[in-house]
Amino acid sequence: AQRVTQPEKLLSVFKGAPVELKCNYSYSGSPELFWYVQYSRQRLQLLLRHISRESIKGFTADLNKGETSFHLKKPFAQEEDSAMYYCALKTSYDKVIFGPGTSLSVIP
Amino acid sequence: EAQVTQNPRYLITVTGKKLTVTCSQNMNHEYMSWYRQDPGLGLRQIYYSMNVEVTDKGDVPEGYKVSRKEKRNFPLILESPSPNQTSLYFCASSSSEHNSPLHFGNGTRLTVT
Repeated sequence: AQRVTQPEKLLSVFKGAPVELKCNYSYSGSPELFWYVQYSRQRLQLLLRHISRESIKGFTADLNKGETSFHLKKPFAQEEDSAMYYCALKTSYDKVIFGPGTSLSVIP
Repeated sequence: EAQVTQNPRYLITVTGKKLTVTCSQNMNHEYMSWYRQDPGLGLRQIYYSMNVEVTDKGDVPEGYKVSRKEKRNFPLILESPSPNQTSLYFCASSSSEHNSPLHFGNGTRLTVT
């Protein structure tokens, strides 16, 4: 079955602390993985995709096929990082499956 | 500016009164999709379309209809809305290229009383 899990519904960290948002997936094919972010009252927007291996707003994510994970990391959290984060899997049939989301709160 | 435009942003209606939420994209994307977002449930796909005249059910299609007569438009139709369809709805589009991301609209907050 194709599935994306994000075990933490809520995650609170202090400003300046490292943050890791977990994402695991279940998919037998070759996955395309994305992180989307939704700031308060705004549309979802792309944060990262695994293929680009870039750092956006200090965030990075590495695809680990052995552990079927795509965790999102940032070494030093900022207040403006407070948002809802969704991990998403795109299948070979272009269907996109979202995880349930993790709400990140950065405490000043 | 490349964008996905949804209208209206807010809609309050009564049970059983047919409504349509419009979605339009100007990026010539093949793929379009509708999601609903509910607290604790995340994003759930309602319907999607791979191209003109090609639509398919997502995970929660009951009570919804869509059409894709033109590439740029993908309206969501609620023939007989019910209170359990009160939600935040997002339209999204993407190209069919490998690893292309979704582009989302601003959302439509629907309340059915």
